[in-house]
Amino acid sequence: GAVVSQHPSWVICKSGTSVKIECRSLDFQATTMFWYRQFPKQSLMLMATSNEGSKATYEQGVEKDKFLINHASLTLSTLTVTSAHPEDSSFYICSAEESGTNTDTQYFGPGTRLTVL
Amino acid sequence: SQKIEQNSEALNIQEGKTATLTCNYTNYSPAYLQWYRQDPGRGPVFLLLIRENEKEKRKERLKVTFDTTLKQSLFHITASQPADSATYLCALTGGGNKLTFGTGTQLKVEL
Repeated sequence: GAVVSQHPSWVICKSGTSVKIECRSLDFQATTMFWYRQFPKQSLMLMATSNEGSKATYEQGVEKDKFLINHASLTLSTLTVTSAHPEDSSFYICSAEESGTNTDTQYFGPGTRLTVL
Repeated sequence: SQKIEQNSEALNIQEGKTATLTCNYTNYSPAYLQWYRQDPGRGPVFLLLIRENEKEKRKERLKVTFDTTLKQSLFHITASQPADSATYLCALTGGGNKLTFGTGTQLKVEL
């Protein structure tokens, strides 16, 4: 089946530093990947849609200069949280759609727990 | 405004019984609706997708119904097992391929 990995699975950083999270589709190509954020006891909130070779599309209220997204290949998208602050502490999850299929199914990564001190 | 509502209270059922979870939505006309399972500290796992022209879909012990008139989907797990305990999320698309998720319902299957 389609597998999506994320790295790291958890990260603790100091306030003001930047953190990069990787999302990889392991056995399929993904033209489109999505980045979500989930706070405790809440549902997943879409942050942005990442398209290979072009700029990401951000949801309303998500700062594109703070959450930098790069989708340089068909199997890798990265999310960089710049100048992280404690309020950015959350569970970040990516998903990917398999290119060339019409399944409308997104495959999710295992998530990355970010804690900003 | 657009809303996706799932029972926020946990659902506790006995092993072997059928669990029924509800997803109601307003101000959406989704082309399809999906159900996911999420375990604590993990990403969602895709379970089933049902399209607007389908009334019902089954996969092993899982069954999903989709009533576009009532704007509701029901998710059933028959012969439930403790291993089915998790949070179940419904998600739908309002257009394009962007998914919007409900808040999820936590299911606990007790021995």
